Amino acid sequence: KQEVTQIPAALSVPEGENLVLNCSFTDSAIYNLQWFRQDPGKGLTSLLLIQSSQREQTSGRLNASLDKSSGRSTLYIAASQPGDSATYLCAVIPSGGYQKVTFGTGTKLQVIP
Amino acid sequence: DAGITQSPRHKVTETGTPVTLRCHQTENHRYMYWYRQDPGHGLRLIHYSYGVKDTDKGEVSDGYSVSRSKTEDFLLTLESATSSQTSVYFCATQTGGYGYTFGSGTRLTVV
Repeated sequence: KQEVTQIPAALSVPEGENLVLNCSFTDSAIYNLQWFRQDPGKGLTSLLLIQSSQREQTSGRLNASLDKSSGRSTLYIAASQPGDSATYLCAVIPSGGYQKVTFGTGTKLQVIP
Repeated sequence: DAGITQSPRHKVTETGTPVTLRCHQTENHRYMYWYRQDPGHGLRLIHYSYGVKDTDKGEVSDGYSVSRSKTEDFLLTLESATSSQTSVYFCATQTGGYGYTFGSGTRLTVV
């Protein structure tokens, strides 16, 4: 069974700092990996989708990388802002399809002004 | 997301009553999913659909049923609500190129 771990569970950083969020998974037979942010009381907003043939994706200040062999994905946030405060979740989509997706339990990020 | 609408947004119901949550999408996506999100458990799949009238069970399907009579609508029914079904329920659609898109959620409280 796929296990997805996100460490740390919570992170507090000063504004302007560059930071890295981690997502580790145990089964490397993945199809896609998707990063989301979730604001309190809200739904999940997709940030980046990395397909298995890709090693990274970039959107603005966000960069996500994927290393299947080591079972790891990282989300890099450059020049963090208070508006980045949210919980960040990764979702590992296996080759077997989206009905077998495993979500991490998230990293709660607080960016202090 | 503007393409997925969940209703109601909040609901309080009594134990033992049936409850139906609605998910409506405007993107004509084939695949639709119902998840529940609980502290300490993260997101867990309840049921999913791969087309009109085609549905299947997920990880935590006991006590829930679904129906999909039209591409755009996916209904989740709690047959007889219990306190353990108090949760936030999310609907999602999926396309291969864009991954998941989630609705804003329904917060259900069973008293």
